[in-house]
Order: sequence, then C-alpha cells, then structure tokens
Amino acid sequence: SQQGEEDPQALSIQEGENATMNCSYKTSINNLQWYRQNSGRGLVHLILIRSNEREKHSGRLRVTLDTSKKSSSLLITASRAADTASYFCATGAGGTSYGKLTFGQGTILTVHP
Amino acid sequence: GAGVSQSPSNKVTEKGKDVELRCDPISGHTALYWYRQSLGQGLEFLIYFQGNSAPDKSGLPSDRFSAERTGGSVSTLTIQRTQQEDSAVYLCASTPQGGGGYNEQFFGPGTRLTVL
Repeated sequence: SQQGEEDPQALSIQEGENATMNCSYKTSINNLQWYRQNSGRGLVHLILIRSNEREKHSGRLRVTLDTSKKSSSLLITASRAADTASYFCATGAGGTSYGKLTFGQGTILTVHP
Repeated sequence: GAGVSQSPSNKVTEKGKDVELRCDPISGHTALYWYRQSLGQGLEFLIYFQGNSAPDKSGLPSDRFSAERTGGSVSTLTIQRTQQEDSAVYLCASTPQGGGGYNEQFFGPGTRLTVL
C-alpha cells in the first residue's frame, strides 16, 4: 500500500515561479526522501531529511518535515523548464524495514518557458 | 562509475508466457529493490534483498512473481503466466550497505513490460 499522499497531483507554473509540493504519511518514519522522475523511467534522488530534522536545503530545493503533522513539503525556487517532471516523496521506517522505502503517488510538475 | 542497469529496456509478450527481467546493481551495493510502476502511478514495492539475509517478499502481488539474486549481485525478476494487468514499468534500485537505513536509492532506467 502507498503510505505517502501527495498534493497537488498536478502543478503547472511559469518559469521563474516557485513550486511547492506536499506529502503526508501515516506511520512513524526515520527519514523522508524526495525523488524526481523524467519521462516515466528511472528516478533520481533529490534530497533526504531525517526524522530529527525540520528543514534542509540543496541548491534551489528546500524541504521541510513536520513529524507531528506527518507531513513534508518540497519547494523548488526559481523554477526552470528543465524542472518539468514527476516528483515523489518516499518514507523510510527503519528498524526491521531497514532501507526499505514507501513511495507516494507523485506530483506532476509542468514548468512553462 | 556505472549505474544500475536493467535489461531488456522493453519487453512485449503474450498473455500466459513467462518473462525474466534482469537488474545489475551498482558494484558493491548490498541492498537491491524491485518496484512496479503502472501508468501514471507511484511505485509499488515488490521485493527487497539485503546482503545474505532472507529477502523481504512482502510486496509480491501473487505467486506468479518471484525473484532471485545470485552471488549477491545480479537479480532476476520472473513473472510466470503473465497477465495483462502485469503490464507496467519494472524498476530496480540498489543502495550501499550501512548508513542506518538513511540511504538514497539508485534507480535503473526500468523495463517496460507490455502483455498483449
């Protein structure tokens, strides 16, 4: 079953605007990751945030995590046409599920030039 | 270095036939995962190998699905008596050992399976 629920399902913006995607999950986690997928094929890892972290930055990406609300957001600033892709959050539970990730349904981002 | 590779990239088969999908993980990565992605959907976990431990098969949808990993490296996902609902992209990923579970997964390009 899918743990992550992503919102919105699709997002369409103009180049230069910021894009915000949200992810909610149901069970306890030890980390949450965001991945990007182009053209329905392999996924590329973007950023990982641990359960004891609240915010993390990587280039134009900013991820927040609120474990009390079981939610995360991914912000892409100054978007570019090349950011057009599907974005997935994935949660890791740790423990006996060591390393195993549960993926959400994804947000389709379209950035218009 | 080389990333995760998968073969074939595309596979078209007839309903009822068996198929084998191959995954070559990154050298030295001890954990290997198989996922299935149906059109426009998220990734569905299938099976997970970690070193010499027994694989986590909890995501396999039916007994027609099986996977093995030989020598702790290459993995083969086998689907017997394929059905049309098996049509999907099958993705493989690997991670290095350790890291306390805080490892990014490195994905292959996937195999697109079409069952006619």
